[in-house]
Amino acid sequence: EIVLTQSPGTLSLSPGERATLSCRASQSVSSSYLAWYQQKPGQAPRLLIYGASSRATGIPDRFSGSGSGIDFTLTISRLEPEDFAVYYCQQYGSSLTFGGGTKVEIK
Amino acid sequence: QLQLQESGPGLVKPSETLSLTCTVSGGSIISSGYYWGWIRQPPGKGLEWIGSIYYTESTYYNRSLTSRVTISIDTSKNQFSLKLSSVTAADTAVYYCARHLYSYGSSYFDYWGQGTLVTVSS
Repeated sequence: EIVLTQSPGTLSLSPGERATLSCRASQSVSSSYLAWYQQKPGQAPRLLIYGASSRATGIPDRFSGSGSGIDFTLTISRLEPEDFAVYYCQQYGSSLTFGGGTKVEIK
Repeated sequence: QLQLQESGPGLVKPSETLSLTCTVSGGSIISSGYYWGWIRQPPGKGLEWIGSIYYTESTYYNRSLTSRVTISIDTSKNQFSLKLSSVTAADTAVYYCARHLYSYGSSYFDYWGQGTLVTVSS
């Protein structure tokens, strides 16, 4: 089973700043099978990015994904107040797993 | 707009079977390339995929739960269901149903239900 490790666990930033979230896999993942989600308290996760770099429908272009192999990154170019949330990466290889999450909190 | 809604008991006794149903509205559950999945989240913790099913009844499960999980589908009712047997307190979680795009080159969940909390306690 491929383990996804997200870092940092918590990211403290101010609105307007750039957020860079990391997702590292225990073995190589096809970029096609890497997705990112946003989850706010009391809500279901929302798909942000699929195929490592493709934005889902309705997702603002301040969200971008990149990476390949074992290292993937979600970047939020300028944080808006509504972006403070927990972010998860997800992969499908021989099975389907999620990372442990990164919380982006207001500094 | 596709909507998914979980339903079922919020409290299950240890050793019993957890049963949930997801009703899909705003679209057909018979949808090429789309599976229908269950994901859970223990309170304060991360997400765990349980398993997914296609309208043809083809299923695939998380290996760690395979022995206890059954996912079924009822295309006439536009519903799919989860059964998890021999539950313990560790199965206490919010259970989500979701549409799962699973095809060559893609695997992700694009529509989610609101989630339902299931507590395992006597």
